[in-house]
Amino acid sequence: SQQGEEDPQALSIQEGENATMNCSYKTSINNLQWYRQNSGRGLVHLILIRSNEREKHSGRLRVTLDTSKKSSSLLITASRAADTASYFCATESAFNDYKLSFGAGTTVTVRA
Amino acid sequence: NAGVTQTPKFQVLKTGQSMTLQCAQDMNHEYMSWYRQDPGMGLRLIHYSVGAGITDQGEVPNGYNVSRSTTEDFPLRLLSAAPSQTSVYFCASSYHGSPTTDTQYFGPGTRLTVL
Repeated sequence: SQQGEEDPQALSIQEGENATMNCSYKTSINNLQWYRQNSGRGLVHLILIRSNEREKHSGRLRVTLDTSKKSSSLLITASRAADTASYFCATESAFNDYKLSFGAGTTVTVRA
Repeated sequence: NAGVTQTPKFQVLKTGQSMTLQCAQDMNHEYMSWYRQDPGMGLRLIHYSVGAGITDQGEVPNGYNVSRSTTEDFPLRLLSAAPSQTSVYFCASSYHGSPTTDTQYFGPGTRLTVL
């Protein structure tokens, strides 16, 4: 069963706007990762946030983690057409460090 | 480095046929895994390996076999293809033994259709 669930399922924004998507998970985790998938391609790692971190930045990406609410958010600032993709959160399956569990993803469309 | 490579890119099988999806990485990664991705769903783990000679089942292993005789290669075998195995298959690898603490590098995928 999937550990993480992204919300919303789909998001359409204008170029230059910010995009925010959320991930909720069920069991305690050590780390949470975000990946991007362009249409027809494999996934690309974006960022990893550890359970003792509350916020992390990488370029135009900002990730937060709230372990008390079992949720994470990914913010993309000043979006570009190239940000059009699906975004997935990934966590370890219940207490198993060797199994990575992905949510169903948020599909982001950035309109020019 | 070529990274993670997968062959073939596309494949059409008839029900009952068997085939092997190839995956190779040239980054000396210990951990390798296979996922399947179906429309509207995230990736589901089929099998994984934490090193040569060691494999284990993931979330959806039925109908698939794997082996890891070398660090570089991790082939996925479909024993008797069924229409339910129509999917896009991704291979991934990471340097260390745990994918939860390390960046996963994904291959480009194999799109499989079973008629």
